[in-house]
Amino acid sequence: EDKVVQSPLSLVVHEGDTVTLNCSYEVTNFRSLLWYKQEKKAPTFLFMLTSSGIEKKSGRLSSILDKKELFSILNITATQTGDSAVYLCAVSPPSGSRLTFGEGTQLTVNP
Amino acid sequence: EPEVTQTPSHQVTQMGQEVILRCVPISNHLYFYWYRQILGQKVEFLVSFYNNEISEKSEIFDDQFSVERPDGSNFTLKIRSTKLEDSAMYFCASSGLTGLNYEQYFGPGTRLTVT
Repeated sequence: EDKVVQSPLSLVVHEGDTVTLNCSYEVTNFRSLLWYKQEKKAPTFLFMLTSSGIEKKSGRLSSILDKKELFSILNITATQTGDSAVYLCAVSPPSGSRLTFGEGTQLTVNP
Repeated sequence: EPEVTQTPSHQVTQMGQEVILRCVPISNHLYFYWYRQILGQKVEFLVSFYNNEISEKSEIFDDQFSVERPDGSNFTLKIRSTKLEDSAMYFCASSGLTGLNYEQYFGPGTRLTVT
């Protein structure tokens, strides 16, 4: 059974801090790893990673994949209160069909 | 920016009743999905749909569930006889097929409450 494990499950920081969220996976067939941000309702897409060692960056957020060690990290620098959300990691098989999600990391950024 | 839309945002139904959840995927997307998230739990895959047929389904997606694309824009999930344990947030998602682009974009969800 495919498995995605995120850590920590919960994190509380102050505005301006840098955070690192972790995602490890054990899947039968792997094509890509995706990060989503879930605020009140819908997961909103952040990154899709398919190749090891290539950093994807969007503003203060960045992410990288290690296919040898089967994990990914999501970094957020200079956190703001608007970054408070659940961050979800998911993996996709080669067919691109079902996503298998982790439990999520609840990030709270206090002013 | 194009987005996935879902209706209703909240549906309350009695056990044993049929419900239909509706989704309008992003217009040029080819793959459609349903996921659910029981309160406090992981997002779980239910079914994927491509070219007017189910391409994959999970063990959760039993005979009580069905999906349909009744016209060129809507994508529906029907639960024939709802159970208390069907109470969850149901998300529709869609993805295009641009080269190797399989990013799935999610709708805002329908909260289903079965009483």
